[in-house]
Amino acid sequence: AQSVTQPDIHITVSEGASLELRCNYSYGATPYLFWYVQSPGQGLQLLLKYFSGDTLVQGIKGFEAEFKRSQSSFNLRKPSVHWSDAAEYFCAVGEDDKIIFGKGTRLHILP
Amino acid sequence: DGGITQSPKYLFRKEGQNVTLSCEQNLNHDAMYWYRQDPGQGLRLIYYSQIVNDFQKGDIAEGYSVSREKKESFPLTVTSAQKNPTAFYLCAAEDRLNTEAFFGQGTRLTVV
Repeated sequence: AQSVTQPDIHITVSEGASLELRCNYSYGATPYLFWYVQSPGQGLQLLLKYFSGDTLVQGIKGFEAEFKRSQSSFNLRKPSVHWSDAAEYFCAVGEDDKIIFGKGTRLHILP
Repeated sequence: DGGITQSPKYLFRKEGQNVTLSCEQNLNHDAMYWYRQDPGQGLRLIYYSQIVNDFQKGDIAEGYSVSREKKESFPLTVTSAQKNPTAFYLCAAEDRLNTEAFFGQGTRLTVV
C-alpha cells in the first residue's frame, strides 16, 4: 500500500524567508502527487499536482514543488513567504482509485 | 456557484444517536470521498465511491455507513457503533480525468 510521510509536524519561518516542506512517498510506479493547503476550520485547496513530464511543478500562490524519483520525494517550496501562508499543508499520493494524504505540516510565520 | 456543499458546518449529537452528514456536488464528478480529520492525524479515508450505486471502505470505515444513490450526493452516517465520532469530516469529489479532488468546507461533529 502507498504511504505518504511528512516528517515535520510544525515549521516556523520568518516572513520573507524561503520555505521548504518535505514529503516522501512510497509507491512502485510513477505516482500522482499533490500538495494541498488548509486554513483553520476550512476545506482543502489544491496548490499543485504532478502527473508526469517536467519534474518541477508550478502552483498557485507562488508555490512550486520538485519530484525526485531517486529520493521518493516531492518537496514544496516558496522563495519568500507571506503572513497569509500560515496554514496546514498536506502532501498526497493518488493511488488507482483513491487519494492518500500525509499527516500534514503546520506552517507558522514570524513577523 | 459550483463546488462541494457540506451541511451543516457544526453538528452536535448525544452519544448513542446516529447522525447523517450531507455532501452535495454540482461538479458532475464521478468519484466522491469522505475523510475524517483529527489533530495530528492528517486525513484518513472513511469511504469512497467511484460511481453511482457503488462504494468501497477506506481505512477507517468501522462505525460509518454511506450511500450513493445519485451522482450528486454522498451522505455519510455516523452510527452509534463509532467509538469516537467527534471529529472534523471532509467530503471531496474528484475529476477522474484530471485526478484533482475538490473539497467541501467540512462538518465539525461533536458528540456529547
